[in-house]
Amino acid sequence: GEDVEQSLFLSVREGDSSVINCTYTDSSSTYLYWYKQEPGAGLQLLTYIFSNMDMKQDQRLTVLLNKKDKHLSLRIADTQTGDSAIYFCAETPKYNQGGKLIFGQGTELSVKP
Amino acid sequence: EAGVTQFPSHSVIEKGQTVTLRCDPISGHDNLYWYRRVMGKEIKFLLHFVKESKQDESGMPNNRFLAERTGGTYSTLKVQPAELEDSGVYFCASSLSGTGKDNEQFFGPGTRLTVL
Repeated sequence: GEDVEQSLFLSVREGDSSVINCTYTDSSSTYLYWYKQEPGAGLQLLTYIFSNMDMKQDQRLTVLLNKKDKHLSLRIADTQTGDSAIYFCAETPKYNQGGKLIFGQGTELSVKP
Repeated sequence: EAGVTQFPSHSVIEKGQTVTLRCDPISGHDNLYWYRRVMGKEIKFLLHFVKESKQDESGMPNNRFLAERTGGTYSTLKVQPAELEDSGVYFCASSLSGTGKDNEQFFGPGTRLTVL
């Protein structure tokens, strides 16, 4: 089956690192994504990782994928107030050739100055 | 280049009324997706168009929802008659391809629907 789980809230202080976690059930997933939604805006693709990778780094963002545990995480280094948003984890199951995304509930990140 | 646009941004209607949401994808994107987020829950897939054809409509909740994409450009999602549980934010997304890296989906800002 398809299920993606995230914790709902995370609060950090400016300058700290944030780690947002996600678990998924479909081991056939090919791509896993992190989207960001700022207030009043649509979802913006932050980064993605292909299922044959363990880690991907992009500036302040680090994505870790543990396929054995079906666990995906997003680490934001030196978190800024502008990083406050809802972060959604999503996957594309391998069987699905149409590319529909399966999302988690979203983690609301609050960054305090 | 314009991104994905959606209209209206907000809609408040009474139970039993009809509402039509519109999505204009990025020009040249054959793939168009509709998703919905009910308050505080996950974003759920509704359906996927390739050009004017429905590729996958497995996420449509029931026959009160009708999606069209005449001419393969913009799409409409009509809810008739609306029920309380239809309230939520409806997102539209478009992509070049349905697979691989070209499947990056670009999302619109969403339409917030409130059914009273």
